[in-house]
Amino acid sequence: DGGITQSPKYLFRKEGQNVTLSCEQNLNHDAMYWYRQDPGQGLRLIYYSQIVNDFQKGDIAEGYSVSREKKESFPLTVTSAQKNPTAFYLCASSMSGFRETQYFGPGTRLLVL
Amino acid sequence: GENVGLHLPTLSVQEGDNSIINCAYSNSASDYFIWYKQESGKGPQFIIDIRSNMDKRQGQRVTVLLNKTVKHLSLQIAATQPGDSAVYFCAENSPGGYKYIFGTGTRLKVLA
Repeated sequence: DGGITQSPKYLFRKEGQNVTLSCEQNLNHDAMYWYRQDPGQGLRLIYYSQIVNDFQKGDIAEGYSVSREKKESFPLTVTSAQKNPTAFYLCASSMSGFRETQYFGPGTRLLVL
Repeated sequence: GENVGLHLPTLSVQEGDNSIINCAYSNSASDYFIWYKQESGKGPQFIIDIRSNMDKRQGQRVTVLLNKTVKHLSLQIAATQPGDSAVYFCAENSPGGYKYIFGTGTRLKVLA
């Protein structure tokens, strides 16, 4: 059963804490992406990776970090530097780059305690 | 849904009627477009796509129309069902563009 999985579904962060959101895909896609979704706004790109061991900042990378050590995995860390982290986080993947169709995971809802 | 706009434009249709959802895209150079469906608390689901060398593309119960002259995209859903209730948004991509631009979406409510 191919697809993109994200965990956890809900995540709670205490002030000053770093938290990591998981994203895994078994579609054999080269490119992976992280988006943030806020009410009333379109999806905004946080980070993207078009190949293993390489990633680039998107439009709103400040306060976030990523790694791409394996093709299947693209975890996102929300650091304490991100002052407004409450949002719905979506991971996506595509066959290669941005000119390909992107498919999304189920999302992680991050809430601040 | 908690993860999408609370004040999105809403389209209410009777079950069995056809629905038309519109999207004005921003970049005249965009040449690839996707419609996504997002149910409450879930990730966006690919519905249908279209490239700029086409004006119309049909899928199962869905049709996408592209009017490049006025930068307008529409999604038509035939015989709307309760399971079609969701937020629908479009995405555009342009040559040389490094990212997709996503619309904010329209909420579709299907009335029984």
